[in-house]
Amino acid sequence: EDQVTQSPEALRLQEGESSSLNCSYTVSGLRGLFWYRQDPGKGPEFLFTLYSAGEEKEKERLKATLTKKESFLHITAPKPEDSATYLCAVQKGSGNTGKLIFGQGTTLQVKP
Amino acid sequence: DSGVTQTPKHLITATGQRVTLRCSPRSGDLSVYWYQQSLDQGLQFLIQYYNGEERAKGNILERFSAQQFPDLHSELNLSSLELGDSALYFCASSVSVFGEQYFGPGTRLTVT
Repeated sequence: EDQVTQSPEALRLQEGESSSLNCSYTVSGLRGLFWYRQDPGKGPEFLFTLYSAGEEKEKERLKATLTKKESFLHITAPKPEDSATYLCAVQKGSGNTGKLIFGQGTTLQVKP
Repeated sequence: DSGVTQTPKHLITATGQRVTLRCSPRSGDLSVYWYQQSLDQGLQFLIQYYNGEERAKGNILERFSAQQFPDLHSELNLSSLELGDSALYFCASSVSVFGEQYFGPGTRLTVT
């Protein structure tokens, strides 16, 4: 069964304290892995797409990496404005649909 | 701002009623997706349309239906509403069948 598992469920960091969020996936044929940021009551905001193992993408304090079984979202020197829920999703290579299968998310709180 | 618009922002209605949620995709995007987000289930795929045709169905109840119009906007119809239908409903769009999706601000549905 296709599955996406994110850990930890919640993470509290001090401002400037770097860390990583994990996304493990089990899917028959991966087309792409996506990272989104979601603020409370808002729609998910697209961050990155990763297509193949070894690929890395960076944006400001965020860097996403991909292996054959998991993806990491590294947050370097986070600021309070990075506080949000980070969602990981996969898109299968098989089938005729681009539907996303989401993990439950990691809620990040960065304290000043 | 993702460029995806959804109306209404909030909807409060009673059990047994019927509502319509509306979505306008980003300019140039041909695919529209609907997702439901509840506290216990996370983001769940409901249905995808591509250029006016239904592409895939997820865990969408028979009481729910959707369509995509020639101008590419989409509507999600929810009928015989139950308390458990209370959730955030998101629309997303993408250029093609696959690839990254951009989410709207959502419609918060409360069934009383």
